[in-house]
Amino acid sequence: IVLTQSPGTLSLSPGERATLSCRASQSVRSNYLAWYQQTPGQAPRLLIYGASNRATGIPDRFSGSGSGTDFTLTISRLEPEDFAIYHCQQYGNSPLAFGGGTRVEIK
Amino acid sequence: EVQLVESGGGLVQPGGSLRLSCAASGFTFSSYWMHWVRQAPGKGLVWVSRMNSDGSRIDYADSVKGRFTVSRDNAKNTLYLQMNSLRAEDAAVYYCARDESLEQQVAYNWFVRWGQGTPVTVSS
Repeated sequence: IVLTQSPGTLSLSPGERATLSCRASQSVRSNYLAWYQQTPGQAPRLLIYGASNRATGIPDRFSGSGSGTDFTLTISRLEPEDFAIYHCQQYGNSPLAFGGGTRVEIK
Repeated sequence: EVQLVESGGGLVQPGGSLRLSCAASGFTFSSYWMHWVRQAPGKGLVWVSRMNSDGSRIDYADSVKGRFTVSRDNAKNTLYLQMNSLRAEDAAVYYCARDESLEQQVAYNWFVRWGQGTPVTVSS
């Protein structure tokens, strides 16, 4: 499965809503789709698993949705610490695969 | 506190070898599947390999199959990645990551716990 994330870069201001897309080349089994946040020089941080389940300690401004081949990560109101790169990952089919990432930058 | 600390990265010539280590602490290492994930500079994440808790199940990405070997020493709480016949395209930061599954035969394949990564450069 190939995951395509769009847009490549999203330029927004703090307080705005961010909508990130992850599209799979074929249906992701059981909607096994995760989202990670990564800041420069750091390891990824799990935000969402199972397409819509927030990981422990993740603020509720982060939400995941979608099924089949189309998935979305929404950040309802951007905080300064949310400007980062976001990766989607499918784990329903072998081999595991990540998308190319979406950079959310300050406008 | 759960900790994963990678080491062993560095500069190696094309065709050379390197062994990475991932030292685990703060949890029962012998109960978990472990994975290696890499990230080339400025690029996305790429899954490399996984091994179950007792080493009886191993999987590799096609891009490294036959060249990389994953292993673990549960007595030393350490995961390894032996990398042979290295190519320029293998240059990346290599992360170890802990699977969330406690089932010996079934991995969950998503990752809460990651190491800080160790960089590998392949260049002559």
